[in-house]
Amino acid sequence: AQKITQTQPGMFVQEKEAVTLDCTYDTSDQSYGLFWYKQPSSGEMIFLIYQGSYDEQNATEGRYSLNFQKARKSANLVISASQLGDSAMYFCAMTDQAGTALIFGKGTTLSVSS
Amino acid sequence: IAGITQAPTSQILAAGRRMTLRCTQDMRHNAMYWYRQDLGLGLRLIHYSNTAGTTGKGEVPDGYSVSRANTDDFPLTLASAVPSQTSVYFCASGESGDTGELFFGEGSRLTVL
Repeated sequence: AQKITQTQPGMFVQEKEAVTLDCTYDTSDQSYGLFWYKQPSSGEMIFLIYQGSYDEQNATEGRYSLNFQKARKSANLVISASQLGDSAMYFCAMTDQAGTALIFGKGTTLSVSS
Repeated sequence: IAGITQAPTSQILAAGRRMTLRCTQDMRHNAMYWYRQDLGLGLRLIHYSNTAGTTGKGEVPDGYSVSRANTDDFPLTLASAVPSQTSVYFCASGESGDTGELFFGEGSRLTVL
């Protein structure tokens, strides 16, 4: 069965620094999707970035990039030039075996200080 | 632009009471989902529906039921609430398949006493 592991309960970074949030996954499927969502303290879930298992290039969206290492089954989120507004909970997710829903990790809380 | 609307946003409920959380989307997505979010556990799938008229069980379906009479609405019912169902509930929608992001409602915070 699919599983997402986020080993960092909390991360601390200073403004303008880059930060990497770790995500490893377990699947026997060849075709799957990997996602990152942001949840600020207000509670809404915000989609950040997507990587397909067959995509050869790492996905990028502005300051967000996904460091996809298929052989290692990792999909780390890299945030460049952190901002105070990046302080939030971040969830890694992947499509389930049937491709019908997303399975989420337990999340990493990122705190950005000035 | 509404997207996904959940109601109520917050509710305190006595144990044993019946409760329905409402979810409506205006994006004409085929698939809809209910997740619960608990501290330290992330989001866990309760039930899902790939298309109107069909539903399926997720990781934690016990104590919950859903229906999907049409494309837009996907209510979640707790037939007899228990304190362990205290949680934040998120409804989401998307296109089926592994390339689609999910769009989330703002959540419903439920407290069962």
